[in-house]
Amino acid sequence: GAGVSQSPSNKVTEKGKDVELRCDPISGHTALYWYRQSLGQGLEFLIYFQGNSAPDKSGLPSDRFSAERTGGSVSTLTIQRTQQEDSAVYLCASSPGLAGSTQYFGPGTRLTVT
Amino acid sequence: GESVGLHLPTLSVQEGDNSIINCAYSNSASDYFIWYKQESGKGPQFIIDIRSNMDKRQGQRVTVLLNKTVKHLSLQIAATQPGDSAVYFCGSQGNLIFGKGTKLSVKP
Repeated sequence: GAGVSQSPSNKVTEKGKDVELRCDPISGHTALYWYRQSLGQGLEFLIYFQGNSAPDKSGLPSDRFSAERTGGSVSTLTIQRTQQEDSAVYLCASSPGLAGSTQYFGPGTRLTVT
Repeated sequence: GESVGLHLPTLSVQEGDNSIINCAYSNSASDYFIWYKQESGKGPQFIIDIRSNMDKRQGQRVTVLLNKTVKHLSLQIAATQPGDSAVYFCGSQGNLIFGKGTKLSVKP
């Protein structure tokens, strides 16, 4: 079956511009996660959605970052007024249940801020 | 703060040898651990997991060992193959914390 998909696969943007990154989770998965992976670094948790509950935003690095999940499915991560330090691979993952179950990752979106 | 880390950033092994990748964690309340494999240009893929009520779990060519006393986790890969070359992450799933990864290189 289809896995987690993300778009675009690559995004180059100028400093100060806003960007939107999209994630399509596996159908039926109620949990959705966003991570950031900088060069040579591990996965940095950003935000977690579970069903209709309020999202866990504890990992968002600043108020320039926000995410939505519409209809319990597709999610969009928005970065406003991008900075060079935002350059990274943004990974989305989904899982079938509560936090603690296996996450299935998408291929990521490589964001480059020039 | 909490951390999940790896002892070595890189590991080079000969094809056919066994590989051992180590990981330490700080939160003794962590109850679920996962190993992921990330190949270049791809997202992480689940390899194997273990719950805190276990100390060993085996999969196909992979074994995960958990030592709760010293808060240490290891991934053993038997008969390492070139296709095993990747970055391996350990993670404390309940806390959504992952290590930086160990890059495994397999020499033919």
